[in-house]
Amino acid sequence: DSGVTQTPKHLITATGQRVTLRCSPRSGDLSVYWYQQSLDQGLQFLIQYYNGEERAKGNILERFSAQQFPDLHSELNLSSLELGDSALYFCASSHGGQGAPEAFFGQGTRLTVV
Amino acid sequence: GEDVEQSLFLSVREGDSSVINCTYTDSSSTYLYWYKQEPGAGLQLLTYIFSNMDMKQDQRLTVLLNKKDKHLSLRIADTQTGDSAIYFCAERGRGKAAGNKLTFGGGTRVLVKP
Repeated sequence: DSGVTQTPKHLITATGQRVTLRCSPRSGDLSVYWYQQSLDQGLQFLIQYYNGEERAKGNILERFSAQQFPDLHSELNLSSLELGDSALYFCASSHGGQGAPEAFFGQGTRLTVV
Repeated sequence: GEDVEQSLFLSVREGDSSVINCTYTDSSSTYLYWYKQEPGAGLQLLTYIFSNMDMKQDQRLTVLLNKKDKHLSLRIADTQTGDSAIYFCAERGRGKAAGNKLTFGGGTRVLVKP
């Protein structure tokens, strides 16, 4: 158990809909990262938050957004969903800053858009 | 930009050593990581190495880093059937724009035959 909790584990939704994925980082970790894993694109970095503020942005679509709350949990919002958004979405956490470099991943949310 | 490459597949006999290779392009990488992903599971952090080190050993795992050639390898001694999984190499860049994000290779599928 990595200590990173993601909910839900599975999500099936229709095209055009909006979903929210949730992540609770390990205790003491300030940084949260979101990744998308698909067969054709591999593991793609989406976005990072550190202590509530956006730190780095990757290949995140405009239809996607994220935030990190004061209790450090994070949510990834996916809207106007398309079939191609079907993927495994991972959250990872690390201490961030000058702390230990380990990044631990949650079990992922498998999103299926039908 | 950052790019991380791995071979797609490795087959090894139980009890032999496995060597998984990875190359990366970002010369400013600070840390390099190896993760393991079993079917239907998240990414498990196996080990990491700081970019100014040449080698790190952790039980059955040995990481070798050739910074000049930007080549990273993971050696698994006495490979077991439970080591069958996909192994991902990742690098962490430097600088504010990079945050602490990890850039992943495409993964190497390791199959251990009895």
